[in-house]
Amino acid sequence: QKEVEQNSGPLSVPEGAIASLNCTYSDRGSQSFFWYRQYSGKSPELIMFIYSNGDKEDGRFTAQLNKASQYVSLLIRDSQPSDSATYLCAVTGGYGNKLVFGAGTILRVKS
Amino acid sequence: GAVVSQHPSRVICKSGTSVKIECRSLDFQATTMFWYRQFPKKSLMLMATSNEGSKATYEQGVEKDKFLINHASLTLSTLTVTSAHPEDSSFYICSAITGEGGNTIYFGEGSWLTVV
Repeated sequence: QKEVEQNSGPLSVPEGAIASLNCTYSDRGSQSFFWYRQYSGKSPELIMFIYSNGDKEDGRFTAQLNKASQYVSLLIRDSQPSDSATYLCAVTGGYGNKLVFGAGTILRVKS
Repeated sequence: GAVVSQHPSRVICKSGTSVKIECRSLDFQATTMFWYRQFPKKSLMLMATSNEGSKATYEQGVEKDKFLINHASLTLSTLTVTSAHPEDSSFYICSAITGEGGNTIYFGEGSWLTVV
């Protein structure tokens, strides 16, 4: 079982729609959860981090964490073509502070 | 957010030579930095954890004698790819932990290495 799992996609949504990206993790000791966005040929950039169960909102982005289900998601409202990228879920805490990445989900926003 | 800078952004070297990549935390002190490698259309692969003032911890399968890591100060870690071969051509990315929000990790811009 992979430590952090994501659907590779691609996930295609029309411009203006809500994009929902999901991630599950295997280590119950995990404490910190991150979403990064990576454009082709570029380094990942941090979008959000979340530590507590529930929702955390930042602009068009909402991260949702459910530790009981070992599940973290990212919602992108009013999706724009510029949001088209690979979204990486990352988890740390249960692995000695190492950031463990999922394989990433490719998001395509069509105008 | 915190700033992590890598240099060079792109480097081409001949097979058999060594190349050094620098990773700097510009506005914070980083006791721990991480080095990743990413092949095209693949996920990030953690190579090693670099701790200031001590030896790096390498992930399984990563040759420590080939990928030399030095973390001599709280703001600088270096990765030296020794005796580079074409299969070492990849995107190398460093990251550093800040104390922001409880140990948030930021990435450098990455370094494209091409070995010819």
